[in-house]
Amino acid sequence: DAGVTQSPTHLIKTRGQHVTLRCSPISGHKSVSWYQQVLGQGPQFIFQYYEKEERGRGNFPDRFSARQFPNYSSELNVNALLLGDSALYLCASSLIGTSIYEQYFGPGTRLTVT
Amino acid sequence: DQQVKQNSPSLSVQEGRISILNCDYTNSMFDYFLWYKKYPAEGPTFLISISSIKDKNEDGRFTVFLNKSAKHLSLHIVPSQPGDSAVYFCAAKGSQGNLIFGKGTKLSVKP
Repeated sequence: DAGVTQSPTHLIKTRGQHVTLRCSPISGHKSVSWYQQVLGQGPQFIFQYYEKEERGRGNFPDRFSARQFPNYSSELNVNALLLGDSALYLCASSLIGTSIYEQYFGPGTRLTVT
Repeated sequence: DQQVKQNSPSLSVQEGRISILNCDYTNSMFDYFLWYKKYPAEGPTFLISISSIKDKNEDGRFTVFLNKSAKHLSLHIVPSQPGDSAVYFCAAKGSQGNLIFGKGTKLSVKP
């Protein structure tokens, strides 16, 4: 079975621009979460979506938004990019409604803002 | 303020010996913990988890121990292999179903 896939792998943007990152979950997983990882830190939670609704939000500004589609894939959008947005953006998929809380991560999108 | 702390940035172990990675947490409401392994240029890979109703969980060479009174958990890898060299993250399940990660410990297993 295919794991979590993310696109693109790498991206270079200029300050002030907008970016869209994409994620496809593991087949059968209906929940997608987004995390930001900067160098030397653990992943930081941005959003969780389940059944196309936002179910959780981390401490990130409104420039960050996301959505989930009927096929459970998801997009993360970041507006007005800042240099500090340079990071590895990770998508994770999971089952919901069970006692299993593991999240399975994709390879990430490396965003560089110049 | 960090709710999940991994105070050792790095650990070096000889092949065949035991690796012990430590993690502390501050929120006594956390009831589920996970360990992930991360290689460069890859996403984190789930290793093992433990619920707060248990104090130990084993999976092959990996064992996680939970001490709720001390708010401490540890991951034991026995025997350590060179392929175990990676960054290991401890995480707790947050109230939104999100994962709260520590900063990670870089494990180097030397042949």
